[in-house]
Amino acid sequence: SQTIHQWPATLVQPVGSPLSLECTVEGTSNPNLYWYRQAAGRGLQLLFYSVGIGQISSEVPQNLSASRPQDRQFILSSKKLLLSDSGFYLCAWRVDLREKLFFGSGTQLSVL
Amino acid sequence: QKEVEQDPGPLSVPEGAIVSLNCTYSNSAFQYFMWYRQYSRKGPELLMYTYSSGNKEDGRFTAQVDKSSKYISLFIRDSQPSDSATYLCATSPNTGKLIFGQGTTLQVKP
Repeated sequence: SQTIHQWPATLVQPVGSPLSLECTVEGTSNPNLYWYRQAAGRGLQLLFYSVGIGQISSEVPQNLSASRPQDRQFILSSKKLLLSDSGFYLCAWRVDLREKLFFGSGTQLSVL
Repeated sequence: QKEVEQDPGPLSVPEGAIVSLNCTYSNSAFQYFMWYRQYSRKGPELLMYTYSSGNKEDGRFTAQVDKSSKYISLFIRDSQPSDSATYLCATSPNTGKLIFGQGTTLQVKP
């Protein structure tokens, strides 16, 4: 069966520090991968998605970036965090564009 | 106008009640419909997935889609305190981009 791993669960970072969140999927090949952000009391905002290695689409201009160095690995990064980057970050995957979307457990990021 | 509208609530019901959660969408091209349950500080969990008008039942949960009215619903029978969570509707056109509602917070009181 397929599983998705996301870490860390909680992260507290100072303003201006770098960020690296990692997500891996097991049990499937060539998944579509997604990064979402959820601000407190608000809906899910799609940040990036990838349909294959090295293929990254950005939905919202910001100081975040994403990379997919391996088929089942998706990384969210920032060189310098802003206060506004605080939020709940979710990685997700699905087999293809018509199928069900499955989420990881999320990372609560607090930028202080 | 948002592509998917969902009343954020909060919705508070007594244990055992039937809960009705609703979303409306604006684009008739949307073909796939999902409901997610999200507990606080956890990832959303897929509850229901459907791509046609009508009802789909799974245990205490029933998803209903009315494409003519662009209206989707989730019904929870015999609600339990463990059902207290935020419920997110989501829909997608054939292009695959998933559009989420804002989420409705549900509290089931014992």
